Amino acid sequence: GAVVSQHPSWVICKSGTSVKIECRSLDFQATTMFWYRQFPKQSLMLMATSNEGSKATYEQGVEKDKFLINHASLTLSTLTVTSAHPEDSSFYICSASGDRTNQPQHFGDGTRLSIL
Amino acid sequence: KQEVTQIPAALSVPEGENLVLNCSFTDSAIYNLQWFRQDPGKGLTSLLLIQSSQREQTSGRLNASLDKSSGRSTLYIAASQPGDSATYLCAVRPGSDDKIIFGKGTRLHILP
Repeated sequence: GAVVSQHPSWVICKSGTSVKIECRSLDFQATTMFWYRQFPKQSLMLMATSNEGSKATYEQGVEKDKFLINHASLTLSTLTVTSAHPEDSSFYICSASGDRTNQPQHFGDGTRLSIL
Repeated sequence: KQEVTQIPAALSVPEGENLVLNCSFTDSAIYNLQWFRQDPGKGLTSLLLIQSSQREQTSGRLNASLDKSSGRSTLYIAASQPGDSATYLCAVRPGSDDKIIFGKGTRLHILP
């Protein structure tokens, strides 16, 4: 089945550091990728939608200058948390879907980000 | 605005029992509905996807039903096992775009 790979799975860094998270679709072309944030025992909150070759669409309340998204190819999207602070600590999950309307979304295993 | 609700929020049942997880949504105009499983600290695993024109989907011990008119879906798990312990998320894809809307999930614990 379709596989989405997310890297790294866990990162700890100092406040002020920028962190890049990669999301790759391994066996299909992902025209659309989604980035979610999840707090402990909460459901997923959509942060942004990215389409290959175009600018990401951010959800209300998500700072686009803080969370930079690049979707340069049909198999790779990246999320960069710029100048991360402790309040950015969270579980970040990406998902990808193909080019047909009723295709399921496939999720990566998530990245746990801890900012000291 | 589409809202997805899952009841109960948490459930503990003895191993071997059959169980039903519930999902309701406020707007019946949907493209599809998907059930996911999430283990602690992990991403989501897709279990079943029901298209808007379908009434149910089955995979092994899992059966998901969809009643669009009443805005409800159920996930039936037969002969539960301790390995089924996880959080189960229901997600609806609205008719207008690709964004899917998640419920808050049901945390399931199967007692050995």
